[in-house]
Amino acid sequence: AQSVSQHNHHVILSEAASLELGCNYSYGGTVNLFWYVQYPGQHLQLLLKYFSGDPLVKGIKGFEAEFIKSKFSFNLRKPSVQWSDTAEYFCAVNAGRNQGGKLIFGQGTELSVKP
Amino acid sequence: SAVISQKPSRDICQRGTSLTIQCQVDSQVTMMFWYRQQPGQSLTLIATANQGSEATYESGFVIDKFPISRPNLTFSTLTVSNMSPEDSSIYLCSVARDRGWDTEAFFGQGTRLTVV
Repeated sequence: AQSVSQHNHHVILSEAASLELGCNYSYGGTVNLFWYVQYPGQHLQLLLKYFSGDPLVKGIKGFEAEFIKSKFSFNLRKPSVQWSDTAEYFCAVNAGRNQGGKLIFGQGTELSVKP
Repeated sequence: SAVISQKPSRDICQRGTSLTIQCQVDSQVTMMFWYRQQPGQSLTLIATANQGSEATYESGFVIDKFPISRPNLTFSTLTVSNMSPEDSSIYLCSVARDRGWDTEAFFGQGTRLTVV
């Protein structure tokens, strides 16, 4: 069965620091990968997604992620975080063909950015 | 995008009772899902709500405990039956416009359930 693992449970950074959140998945076939963010008191929203093509994917708010197939990884990065990036971040993988929107989530990483 | 409205947003319930959560979407969607997010944990898929037929449940979830209805392409309900404190969680409705491989999923704000 597919699974997703996020390495960091809680990350604390100061503003302007660089961010990298790890995500690994277990599935040998073709995958579609997502990063979702949940700001305090808000619903989950899509940060970025990878389906095919360029393994470096750019999303909203300056986030990007790199798909490395050989490492089964899809790490999220941002060069310089802001206080407003404080949120919980979820990595997810699509569960398979003909199952659009059906996702398997990682454990989530809580990011706290100190002003 | 899709705008999803979940009701109630939160509730405190007595053990042994049942709660029905509603999910309304502002446009027709093919796929609707229900997830559970237990305290400090990630989202776990409970079931896929199928329009006009029985929901498809994931391993560990059964219809008797989590009956689901989906009468049309914009509405679904999840009932948490015979509740116990272990059912205290956030329950989320999610939708996708189609079955496509690259389809984005949208989420409601969730229903925060506390069972006492």
